Amino acid sequence: AQSVTQLGSHVSVSEGALVLLRCNYSSSVPPYLFWYVQYPNQGLQLLLKYTSAATLVKGINGFEAEFKKSETSFHLTKPSAHMSDAAEYFCAVSTWGSASKIIFGSGTRLSIRP
Amino acid sequence: GAVVSQHPSWVICKSGTSVKIECRSLDFQATTMFWYRQFPKQSLMLMATSNEGSKATYEQGVEKDKFLINHASLTLSTLTVTSAHPEDSSFYICSARTKGVLGTGELFFGEGSRLTVL
Repeated sequence: AQSVTQLGSHVSVSEGALVLLRCNYSSSVPPYLFWYVQYPNQGLQLLLKYTSAATLVKGINGFEAEFKKSETSFHLTKPSAHMSDAAEYFCAVSTWGSASKIIFGSGTRLSIRP
Repeated sequence: GAVVSQHPSWVICKSGTSVKIECRSLDFQATTMFWYRQFPKQSLMLMATSNEGSKATYEQGVEKDKFLINHASLTLSTLTVTSAHPEDSSFYICSARTKGVLGTGELFFGEGSRLTVL
């Protein structure tokens, strides 16, 4: 079975600082990995996804994530935080196949200090 | 990206009544739709997987008679919370996967529906 673990339910950084949100996965087969962002009372928006191509994945809004098989990690980073980045971030893993489904991590709330 | 629309966004109902939430893929065909439930400050919990023209597959612990899911067309899935009780109050989110995409494809999420049962 696949699962993801997000380390840190809340991360706070200063505006302009590096953003690092951690995600580790567990999967018996090569995983597909995702990062989603959720703003209050809204659905989820895909930031980026890893599907076994390049290990460094670039997403929207300046975010990127690196797939590291040796560390079973898929951490999300952004060089310089903006106030608008404050939101809930979810790491997710999916299986392969027509019956696949996406399983979400517990989420990390990102706060940005002025 | 593709658009998934949920309706209603907010619903308040009395205990014992049934509430229907619609999930529509507006500009693509979705053979598979997923229904999630999210409690405040928590992650999304997958409730069921809905495939067009067949019965939904429910996750363990989800009452299929309580949460009726219908996926009658490639663009519409509905979740009906039957005989709702206050503990059913939650944020319900649907997502849709594009047709013809094996493996993961990309999930597109609706805006969510907040249900409050009095």
